[in-house]
Amino acid sequence: GAVVSQHPSRVICKSGTSVKIECRSLDFQATTMFWYRQFPKQSLMLMATSNEGSKATYEQGVEKDKFLINHASLTLSTLTVTSAHPEDSSFYICSASSITDTQYFGPGTRLTVL
Amino acid sequence: EDQVTQSPEALRLQEGESSSLNCSYTVSGLRGLFWYRQDPGKGPEFLFTLYSAGEEKEKERLKATLTKKESFLHITAPKPEDSATYLCASPGSSNTGKLIFGQGTTLQVKP
Repeated sequence: GAVVSQHPSRVICKSGTSVKIECRSLDFQATTMFWYRQFPKQSLMLMATSNEGSKATYEQGVEKDKFLINHASLTLSTLTVTSAHPEDSSFYICSASSITDTQYFGPGTRLTVL
Repeated sequence: EDQVTQSPEALRLQEGESSSLNCSYTVSGLRGLFWYRQDPGKGPEFLFTLYSAGEEKEKERLKATLTKKESFLHITAPKPEDSATYLCASPGSSNTGKLIFGQGTTLQVKP
């Protein structure tokens, strides 16, 4: 149980384009979903927290107009990186939690912006 | 301020050499202490949740324990496939569900 999927697993795009990443909880309803990014050999950095039907809460320093988050249902959240630039290249990971604080993580999405 | 600290940063073991990873925490009103395993290029995999001092949980060669100030992840007779980064985390006292992560311990088990 507690499986979270992400799609795509890898994406390469040109500078200036937008990229959408999907995060789905497959076997439970996620009241809260989280988006992280991770640079090589570094710890997870929380970008934002989203609750179903509400606006996402962004961490300090994260541009909300650049990283659009939509939590449309209890099983789906999306992260759209708008007008991506090479510095946005990173490993993006989502997680989901239900009634407990335990977060279950997706497999991650490797974004490369050329 | 809520804080989670892991030690050591890196650990090299020979196959079969048992050891422990440490996670110290200062969190008001602990609502769980989580252990995850992360392999390179993958998302963290949930291992255990501990809620109260004295609690222990086991899974294959791993056993997690909890005291009032720290948690230990004991690895018994490790195998090369146990090589990974182990993360310890806890929800903060702010009740937002956000996790406070330790920096992780990177374990390498040599055959």
